[in-house]
Amino acid sequence: DTGVSQNPRHKITKRGQNVTFRCDPISEHNRLYWYRQTLGQGPEFLTYFQNEAQLEKSRLLSDRFSAERPKGSFSTLEIQRTEQGDSAMYLCASRIAGGTIYEQYFGPGTRLTVT
Amino acid sequence: QKEVEQNSGPLSVPEGAIASLNCTYSDRGSQSFFWYRQYSGKSPELIMSIYSNGDKEDGRFTAQLNKASQYVSLLIRDSQPSDSATYLCAVKLHGSSNTGKLIFGQGTTLQVKP
Repeated sequence: DTGVSQNPRHKITKRGQNVTFRCDPISEHNRLYWYRQTLGQGPEFLTYFQNEAQLEKSRLLSDRFSAERPKGSFSTLEIQRTEQGDSAMYLCASRIAGGTIYEQYFGPGTRLTVT
Repeated sequence: QKEVEQNSGPLSVPEGAIASLNCTYSDRGSQSFFWYRQYSGKSPELIMSIYSNGDKEDGRFTAQLNKASQYVSLLIRDSQPSDSATYLCAVKLHGSSNTGKLIFGQGTTLQVKP
């Protein structure tokens, strides 16, 4: 395992449906982040986990969004009642714990299209 | 004022030239800065990190940081067509030390013409 993995890579769904994405971080990384990226913009922070604890959520993360990281390993991001505005690339990143090293490594992303 | 600002470009340079990409940030207390490369349809790839004022070199890439001016740049020497991508500047804001979340600029698109 040499990198962050995400599944599925692409998801097309109809408005109103629920979707769930999975992220598997680099094995020794206990910090995990979710970002969202729309066309022409940089990634925007959604939420952060340290081990299994969700320690920060962006105001971008409405009540329809929920994320968890059971057992501090993989993480899931669920969007309920999807809207067309949810169409974006959802990126997961991880980094190693502690110290002053803050490099984050991204997975390949899940591209969501809501029709 | 955006927290991290980049010129969206495109920046066009001929093959073999030096490409200079710039980024400014608003939080004077920020300490950690990163450059990511993103090919079209792909995810961001970390290429450089810089924490101290001055230059940091890695192969054809040089990151430059000037905290007094709140300015960070990326120089790409001997630009190749394969360097054509969007370059994202990211900053760990001073107030986010507990999470390490990154704030990204909108990216600068670089085109290297053969």
